[in-house]
Amino acid sequence: GAGVSQSPRYKVAKRGQDVALRCDPISGHVSLFWYQQALGQGPEFLTYFQNEAQLDKSGLPSDRFFAERPEGSVSTLKIQRTQQEDSAVYLCASSLAGGGAHNEQFFGPGTRLTVL
Amino acid sequence: DAKTTQPPSMDCAEGRAANLPCNHSTISGNEYVYWYRQIHSQGPQYIIHGLKNNETNEMASLIITEDRKSSTLILPHATLRDTAVYYCIVRPKYSGGGADGLTFGKGTHLIIQP
Repeated sequence: GAGVSQSPRYKVAKRGQDVALRCDPISGHVSLFWYQQALGQGPEFLTYFQNEAQLDKSGLPSDRFFAERPEGSVSTLKIQRTQQEDSAVYLCASSLAGGGAHNEQFFGPGTRLTVL
Repeated sequence: DAKTTQPPSMDCAEGRAANLPCNHSTISGNEYVYWYRQIHSQGPQYIIHGLKNNETNEMASLIITEDRKSSTLILPHATLRDTAVYYCIVRPKYSGGGADGLTFGKGTHLIIQP
């Protein structure tokens, strides 16, 4: 079945450019997460949506990072005025949420951003 | 989330059992142990989770010590496709109304040798 998809898979940007990264979650999944993974490190949480509501954005590294999910499905992570330290793989994950103790997150393949 | 400690890398021969340890000495009573793995150039993939009892599924077994301060992920018959970074994560029991971001460490890079 269809999993989480992300586009583009690779993005090269010049320092100072704005970029937009797209995430298509699994249909019907309420929760959506964004993570940033630097080379050789584990993924780090950026932000979380429940439907269209952004409930946690504590991991966003600066005000240049902005995420939205206006209709509660597709999400976009936007980075303004990119810097070299923004170079990383950006991972999106979705989960069913709802009741119960287990809430498995399904990850997309990621977008590799390189800022020159 | 409680902190976890894992060895940075391990080798295992193909066909043998791979035993990946994780220390989580500060785990609290309502926190689960989760394992994810990340194959090169892919997103992380859920493997298994447990609270205090041992768990087994089609991918792996999870052994949690009685004091819950450590656990071991067991891949019973490792194949070359099991080469990946394995992350041990402690997270609170889902309490309804929302979900929580996962806190990954650096994980263990498991290399399966032919």
